[in-house]
Amino acid sequence: NAGVMQNPRHLVRRRGQEARLRCSPMKGHSHVYWYRQLPEEGLKFMVYLQKENIIDESGMPKERFSAEFPKEGPSILRIQQVVRGDSAAYFCASSRYRGDNGANVLTFGAGSRLTVL
Amino acid sequence: QQQVKQSPQSLIVQKGGISIINCAYENTAFDYFPWYQQFPGKGPALLIAIRPDVSEKKEGRFTISFNKSAKQFSLHIMDSQPGDSATYFCAAKETGGGADGLTFGKGTHLIIQP
Repeated sequence: NAGVMQNPRHLVRRRGQEARLRCSPMKGHSHVYWYRQLPEEGLKFMVYLQKENIIDESGMPKERFSAEFPKEGPSILRIQQVVRGDSAAYFCASSRYRGDNGANVLTFGAGSRLTVL
Repeated sequence: QQQVKQSPQSLIVQKGGISIINCAYENTAFDYFPWYQQFPGKGPALLIAIRPDVSEKKEGRFTISFNKSAKQFSLHIMDSQPGDSATYFCAAKETGGGADGLTFGKGTHLIIQP
């Protein structure tokens, strides 16, 4: 039973390019969360999605960032016109039910590390 | 505004010693407090978690102590081993409402010296 799969593991982009990060949740999980980790910082919640729906995007920057979780295929975090400040590790997590409350544990992927030159 | 403050930023402990990491929170609506362990190049993994209806939870060598009135909680690693060397994050969440995401501390780099 594969865990949460993220790809690419490493991505290098030049300023102004687009970055697409993909996340396949664990089998049986239909809830996906994206977090961003800046150097020497904790993880910051970005967005929570269920299949075909964005449920909570309270942590998502208003511009250039978007996320989707289509009916078929992985969840995608898209960053348009990347800037150096977007350089970070982006982690995806999935769960079987909504929320992380002890009874419904989040499982994190290994992350995608974005470097913007 | 940092809602969960974690200290120390880094910690070096001798093998066999006790590692202690502290966190303080501000939002009194938080009612779920997990600790995550992260190894280099890996994603965080849930280590242990506590709810505020108990003051302590122990799982093997790992113990969470919780002080609701002080809005503080800490992770204790007994008989620390080199394999425990990792980054530890405390987190908090309001499970009955609020945002769907966890609020994380900034992390503690723990090094256990052999």
